[in-house]
Amino acid sequence: LAKTTQPISMDSYEGQEVNITCSHNNIATNDYITWYQQFPSQGPRFIIQGYKTKVTNEVASLFIPADRKSSTLSLPRVSLSDTAVYYCLVGVSYGGSQGNLIFGKGTKLSVKP
Amino acid sequence: DTGVSQDPRHKITKRGQNVTFRCDPISEHNRLYWYRQTLGQGPEFLTYFQNEAQLEKSRLLSDRFSAERPKGSFSTLEIQRTEQGDSAMYLCASSPPSFEQFFGPGTRLTVL
Repeated sequence: LAKTTQPISMDSYEGQEVNITCSHNNIATNDYITWYQQFPSQGPRFIIQGYKTKVTNEVASLFIPADRKSSTLSLPRVSLSDTAVYYCLVGVSYGGSQGNLIFGKGTKLSVKP
Repeated sequence: DTGVSQDPRHKITKRGQNVTFRCDPISEHNRLYWYRQTLGQGPEFLTYFQNEAQLEKSRLLSDRFSAERPKGSFSTLEIQRTEQGDSAMYLCASSPPSFEQFFGPGTRLTVL
């Protein structure tokens, strides 16, 4: 099973770019990497998903090196409302088993004014 | 239908009682997931349905836990003979074939 490791917490200031790295040394060939955001007392919310190289959407970018043993979520120009816990998820695989979904412990991002 | 809904949002029960939670997924999402989350931890996968078929069950799902999804629509999660260690947030998520999961607000269970 592909376990993940993330920093427990990160601090940033409004307007800065934030990069959160997740390690997943045992990622399987068919596994995708997905990031979720969670606010207190709410369910997680999907941010971005990728398999390799770089993926970008309207809120974030995801960088995945060739060996796929890590990934970096990049949040451009964060605001106070980006203060949340960010989870790295490995194991969502197109066409594969859904039994190996593993959330990391999450990174608590605190954005200061 | 604007999202995944869960009922109740909060449940307080005494140890040994049975509880049942309901999840209504987004319409036409054929996949439905249950997770459990304790304070300070990430969600832990419990089980997964594709339509009405329960395809995966975590070893975390002891024989006191049972989940159903009749007719492939809403799902229920029942916990029998609750224990204090069952206190947690129980999250439901649904997804279309793209595999992006949409989570509900959760049901917070407190076992006294």
